[in-house]
Amino acid sequence: DTEVTQTPKHLVMGMTNKKSLKCEQHMGHRAMYWYKQKAKKPPELMFVYSYEKLSINESVPSRFSPECPNSSLLNLHLHALQPEDSALYLCASTVGEGFTDTQYFGPGTRLTVL
Amino acid sequence: AQSVTQLGSHVSVSEGALVLLRCNYSSSVPPYLFWYVQYPNQGLQLLLKYTSAATLVKGINGFEAEFKKSETSFHLTKPSAHMSDAAEYFCAVNSNSGYALNFGKGTSLLVTP
Repeated sequence: DTEVTQTPKHLVMGMTNKKSLKCEQHMGHRAMYWYKQKAKKPPELMFVYSYEKLSINESVPSRFSPECPNSSLLNLHLHALQPEDSALYLCASTVGEGFTDTQYFGPGTRLTVL
Repeated sequence: AQSVTQLGSHVSVSEGALVLLRCNYSSSVPPYLFWYVQYPNQGLQLLLKYTSAATLVKGINGFEAEFKKSETSFHLTKPSAHMSDAAEYFCAVNSNSGYALNFGKGTSLLVTP
């Protein structure tokens, strides 16, 4: 099973709301990623967790807060977002930290900030 | 830093025609290269990857790509386009950190009847 699942599929939130995105994989992968993708653009890396520790934070604003409760689960907590944060948020995972590892992507959460 | 450039943001082919999507890389070390496809409102799916084992890489759905060091290219081809191939295609190269991928800007493939 090479599946990464993400919930919810769609999310609409106001600028004062707090919400969370969830990502799950049961492939035994030890690295998990959050990407942000604007329309007609490539994905932009936000965070990387390796062995449940935050390895990379690509200077993402603090209104985005990642969390990795265990090796199968990755959350992205959202608070006080701006309309420009509206995008498709993609989660991905890899077996490990290898340069050749395939990144398996989830279907994404379409976020709209009003 | 490793990077890729995709030539042509939009490519249109007729059903049954050859598909050629271009990707050139820039890397100071031997790169690892990937092609991903994204269908509307979906995540990215790996088509194929080059990891130096063989220069001609065969992927899913009839796609293949050839690594040419002399041309710093990794173009994606398919002999005969299907309507279902219409999607966004991204070329990517591993970053220095190893974790992240550096994506090209993407090429939107349109297949006409």
